[in-house]
Amino acid sequence: QVQLVQSGAEVKKPGASVKVSCKASGYTFTSYDINWVRQATGQGLEWMGWMNPNSGNTGYAQKFQGRVTMTRNTSISTAYMELSSLRSEDTAVYYCARPLGWTNWFDPWGQGTLVTVSS
Amino acid sequence: DIQMTQSPSSLSASVGDRVTITCRASQSISTYLNWYHQKPGKAPKLLIYAASSLQSGVPSRFSGSGSGTDFTLTISSLQPEDFATYYCQQSYSTLKYTFGQGTKLEIK
Repeated sequence: QVQLVQSGAEVKKPGASVKVSCKASGYTFTSYDINWVRQATGQGLEWMGWMNPNSGNTGYAQKFQGRVTMTRNTSISTAYMELSSLRSEDTAVYYCARPLGWTNWFDPWGQGTLVTVSS
Repeated sequence: DIQMTQSPSSLSASVGDRVTITCRASQSISTYLNWYHQKPGKAPKLLIYAASSLQSGVPSRFSGSGSGTDFTLTISSLQPEDFATYYCQQSYSTLKYTFGQGTKLEIK
């Protein structure tokens, strides 16, 4: 079945970078974008950006521009989201998701990766 | 950017109740509106896409309506497994998606 499996939890110090992976299976990886969404504890969903695995083209929410980089390795059907200059406010669960259809609904989602930023 | 506003932010209801959640967009988004629910510790799950289309496998007690700026999600008869947080998402703004702030549905 179509599935997105993310890497495990991370603990980082302020100022460091984190790189989260999202491995796709059950479909042709290069045929669909991958989006990233984050959720701070007890908060709502915040869209971060998208990447086209075929071309490598990306688009980021203005809030994250300059700090986020989305890449991929097509040989292993894996997308990556790297966030730099981490601060405590970046502590959150990070999800990858595949957009589908003419209204780009997200299905499926990865299981989420908790990133904790603490000194 | 397009802002999405859900109401109410929280809601208490009983099993068997009919519940309606509203989502309003800051500008017209046609029917580029999707609904998800999320249970604690889990990823969001798609319920409704394109404002009113039921995702495969989702019970028919869920329904969506609306177009332009005003949308609703209705649960016709609440079941115990429906207590969760619900989010709307606009996808009209090309590749600049935004979510509503969420509606937490709790047991009365």
